[in-house]
Amino acid sequence: AQKITQTQPGMFVQEKEAVTLDCTYDTSDQSYGLFWYKQPSSGEMIFLIYQGSYDEQNATEGRYSLNFQKARKSANLVISASQLGDSAMYFCAMRAIGPGGGNKLTFGTGTQLKVEL
Amino acid sequence: DAGVIQSPRHEVTEMGQEVTLRCKPISGHDYLFWYRQTMMRGLELLIYFNNNVPIDDSGMPEDRFSAKMPNASFSTLKIQPSEPRDSAVYFCASTTGLPFSGNTIYFGEGSWLTVV
Repeated sequence: AQKITQTQPGMFVQEKEAVTLDCTYDTSDQSYGLFWYKQPSSGEMIFLIYQGSYDEQNATEGRYSLNFQKARKSANLVISASQLGDSAMYFCAMRAIGPGGGNKLTFGTGTQLKVEL
Repeated sequence: DAGVIQSPRHEVTEMGQEVTLRCKPISGHDYLFWYRQTMMRGLELLIYFNNNVPIDDSGMPEDRFSAKMPNASFSTLKIQPSEPRDSAVYFCASTTGLPFSGNTIYFGEGSWLTVV
């Protein structure tokens, strides 16, 4: 079974500062993908960034980067130059082949990020 | 592309009534997922389809829940009879490709269900 752990229920960061949101995962699969999603107060789930288990370089998407440490089974999200609009819930998720084959996406419990002036 | 489209966005219904949530996946996507989000349990996968066929429904809470995908562009999640504990946000999502291909799973805006 796959499991995602996000140990930070809430985080605060000053505007323009960088912040790291932690994510560890557990899986016996060799091939898997790790995702981060943002959920603002309006409720939609917005895809931010993806890292494949065989990718050697850390993924980056604009101000988002994923600090992937495979041996530690961690996939932390780094947001640089935080903006007020970054205030939201952030979910780490993993996609691996589940029973019966296929693309189940397992989510962590989320981290609520608040960006302050 | 229009994205994943869900309806209704908001639904308030009385306990015991039937509720039907609808989803139109992104055109060309062959995987469709139904998730439920609550404060207590977070995001839970209820069921997912591949090429309109249910692959894993182990997350469906009980027989009151059923899901269908009659064609590649439409899916429904039905609750009959509804109970207050079914109150949640129900997300539909879709994607294509193999699990490790990196293809993004796109979510709809969710259906906010309140059962009173």
